[in-house]
Amino acid sequence: DTAVSQTPKYLVTQMGNDKSIKCEQNLGHDTMYWYKQDSKKFLKIMFSYNNKELIINETVPNRFSPKSPDKAHLNLHINSLELGDSAVYFCASSQERTSGRRSYNEQFFGPGTRLTVL
Amino acid sequence: LAKTTQPISMDSYEGQEVNITCSHNNIATNDYITWYQQFPSQGPRFIIQGYKTKVTNEVASLFIPADRKSSTLSLPRVSLSDTAVYYCLVGPLDNFNKFYFGSGTKLNVKP
Repeated sequence: DTAVSQTPKYLVTQMGNDKSIKCEQNLGHDTMYWYKQDSKKFLKIMFSYNNKELIINETVPNRFSPKSPDKAHLNLHINSLELGDSAVYFCASSQERTSGRRSYNEQFFGPGTRLTVL
Repeated sequence: LAKTTQPISMDSYEGQEVNITCSHNNIATNDYITWYQQFPSQGPRFIIQGYKTKVTNEVASLFIPADRKSSTLSLPRVSLSDTAVYYCLVGPLDNFNKFYFGSGTKLNVKP
């Protein structure tokens, strides 16, 4: 079973279009994220969201908006796509846990969606 | 953000132990150190996480000195399939917005 899944895997579209990328996690985690990985392979967090709070990276344009229909889904909507939006977008989820005296929190990433804007 | 510095790339041979060091001079008291592995065309995968001294799991060990300004990921007996990019991240467990993915270390394992 896939822990974090994304659709579509590839998305090719024209400038100015509006598109969405879907993300689902079946891990029961309470926090989900969207990351952008550019051509230089730098991974930058865009959003984190749980049922209480949406945290937006201040560098993310407001053309990008996350929408969570339920705890297991966090979709990414992008309006008025630009050439610079071309990248790989990763969804992730996590939940902080305690084992004995240790706390830990690992993120589980989806397979990524390669967005190409022409 | 607690930024990290890692070597851009490393070469190794199959069967060798590989140690990748990460510098994080401005680590905060409540920050943890986490390492991820990423293969081409895949999302990052968690390897190990620790706060101090030494942490070991089935795939790696993480060594953290007392001042916590650096950490070393140790991969025992690497194989060709360990060729990947390894990221060192530093931040609090309850806020991944404060984790910074740097450029990572590209490990190339040769036969």
